[in-house]
Amino acid sequence: EPEVTQTPSHQVTQMGQEVILRCVPISNHLYFYWYRQILGQKVEFLVSFYNNEISEKSEIFDDQFSVERPDGSNFTLKIRSTKLEDSAMYFCASSEAWTDHSSYNEQFFGPGTRLTVL
Amino acid sequence: TQLLEQSPQFLSIQEGENLTVYCNSSSVFSSLQWYRQEPGEGPVLLVTVVTGGEVKKLKRLTFQFGDARKDSSLHITAAQPGDTGLYLCAGPDNNAGNMLTFGGGTRLMVKP
Repeated sequence: EPEVTQTPSHQVTQMGQEVILRCVPISNHLYFYWYRQILGQKVEFLVSFYNNEISEKSEIFDDQFSVERPDGSNFTLKIRSTKLEDSAMYFCASSEAWTDHSSYNEQFFGPGTRLTVL
Repeated sequence: TQLLEQSPQFLSIQEGENLTVYCNSSSVFSSLQWYRQEPGEGPVLLVTVVTGGEVKKLKRLTFQFGDARKDSSLHITAAQPGDTGLYLCAGPDNNAGNMLTFGGGTRLMVKP
């Protein structure tokens, strides 16, 4: 069964460093997303990406963050100048399409990257 | 941002018991999705409910979407230890179409 994959599974970095989290969405999916989950808290939306551009972003997704689809399979989240509070699980997700009242709204999540900022 | 509240937050039951967990909002959702999440892993999609009043069954799990599409429930019959996990509901934000809003989850523990 097709699945979203993410690398690395764990990333430890020093405060102020840049990290790139990588994702391979499900191959026939058109929409890509990043979410994060701080330990013990809710899953929070960061950004959605469609047709090579950002379609929605949350208040969390400020200038520190950027996303890119560098080739036909990968989708990346770059976090510049990491802060202690960026420590979280980061989840990539993908969906086939996005329409109202449709099961195609379903988003499928990867296993996550645990980011620890020291 | 639309909010989803889940209850209870924690539930510990014995194997074989039945249980219901709830997902409520004051806002209307076009659909709601239920996920299950294991510690240190990503949410795994269980089901999507789309139509008000809809009932979907997945083996011993029964999902219902409220008539007004503001709430949903998950009922598990004869719970097993393998059902242990964090159950999350999520729905698309009407103001930001492809963003999912998540509830805080119900952490279920089924003791053998």
